[in-house]
Parts: sequence; C-alpha cells; structure tokens
Amino acid sequence: GAGVSQSPSNKVTEKGKDVELRCDPISGHTALYWYRQSLGQGLEFLIYFQGNSAPDKSGLPSDRFSAERTGGSVSTLTIQRTQQEDSAVYLCASSYRSSPTDTQYFGPGTRLTVL
Amino acid sequence: AQSVSQHNHHVILSEAASLELGCNYSYGGTVNLFWYVQYPGQHLQLLLKYFSGDPLVKGIKGFEAEFIKSKFSFNLRKPSVQWSDTAEYFCAVLNNAGNMLTFGGGTRLMVKP
Repeated sequence: GAGVSQSPSNKVTEKGKDVELRCDPISGHTALYWYRQSLGQGLEFLIYFQGNSAPDKSGLPSDRFSAERTGGSVSTLTIQRTQQEDSAVYLCASSYRSSPTDTQYFGPGTRLTVL
Repeated sequence: AQSVSQHNHHVILSEAASLELGCNYSYGGTVNLFWYVQYPGQHLQLLLKYFSGDPLVKGIKGFEAEFIKSKFSFNLRKPSVQWSDTAEYFCAVLNNAGNMLTFGGGTRLMVKP
C-alpha cells in the first residue's frame, strides 16, 4: 500500500476489557514497530518485529500487553484487562529492514480511550 | 541507555521569523539522529536524518539540522517560518541495531500569521 495503515482509528473501551489494535505495514517492509504516544510519557517504544519474530519484548509496559505478526505482514497489538493508564495513541511504523539506514514510516495511529 | 532532551516545549513565532529548536541526546554508540514532524491531525513524518558525513543535514520544506558531536546536539533550524509550519516537532536517536527510536518530549511550534 501507499503507507502504513492502522485500525481502528479510534477505540473507546471500558476498563477491564481486552482490545486488539491492527497494523498493516508498507508492502515489502520486513521490520515493524509499535510505539505509544501519551500525555504523561511522550513517545515510547514498545516492541519491534523483524519478519515474524520479536527479539526484544522488554519495551512492553506490562504482561497485559502482547503483540504478534503473522506472514511477515500484519501485526496485532493486544491489551488485556485494559486500565485507564493504557489510554494513549498507539503508533505503528515500518521500515524496509531494521537498520540505521532505513527510515521508519509511521501510520496514523489508533487513539485508545479506556473509561 | 539512550535519551533525548528537547528544551523548548512550546514556541510561538511570527511568520518570517527564524527558528531554532534545541535537541540534546545521550547515547554511547554510533549516533543516528532524526527530526520528525507531526502536523495537526496528521501522522509523524520524517523531516530529516543524520547518519554520517556532513554534519549539516538538509531536509524537506527548508529545514536543516546541525550535528555537533562535542555538544551532543542536533538542533533544527529554518531561516523563515511559515504559518504552515505550525506542528509538533520530535527529535529522536536510533540505537545501533536500528530497531528502536528514542524520542524527545517534543516541541509545539505555533506560527502566527
């Protein structure tokens, strides 16, 4: 596709519910990244994938957060038992490879509001 | 651990004024630096990036940034801002593995017409 796409664009949920956020990277990009943008914490790195594997999950804020990527393309970020502090904009980015010379291109984000 | 500091949280300028946004980083490895911009209602877009070579980097829309190793700085500049430059600007450093960007807190720029 022309750019990174994310769905839904907005999600409102009740505390304690599970949510799934989806990211479609740019076609041909092997590396995919999740970030979170919140008022209190700014822009934080969560996790990245090279192909289908995520070598480092230490950026995930808690064990309620998980992410997967199948077929080297679409990725899903799942938040279980959502809390109000999970409210943020979740950004996905992709790059051709995960290397310093490859630019990360960002999607429009999913705005998550936990009531 | 890497970190990025942007000293100006909010900047208000009139059109045609010159702009300089400060960015200081802390990182022990090879430095790869970026400026991203987020226009109102839009997603993050790359303005410019530095990997090596000429420390003065030119980006889109007339922006440039200078990497000063001795000062651990990568300040963003534009000689004459326009109302359309109103946006939030983020400085970032990439780790050596190329898989994690660490962002500064961002600077909100408002340009008054």
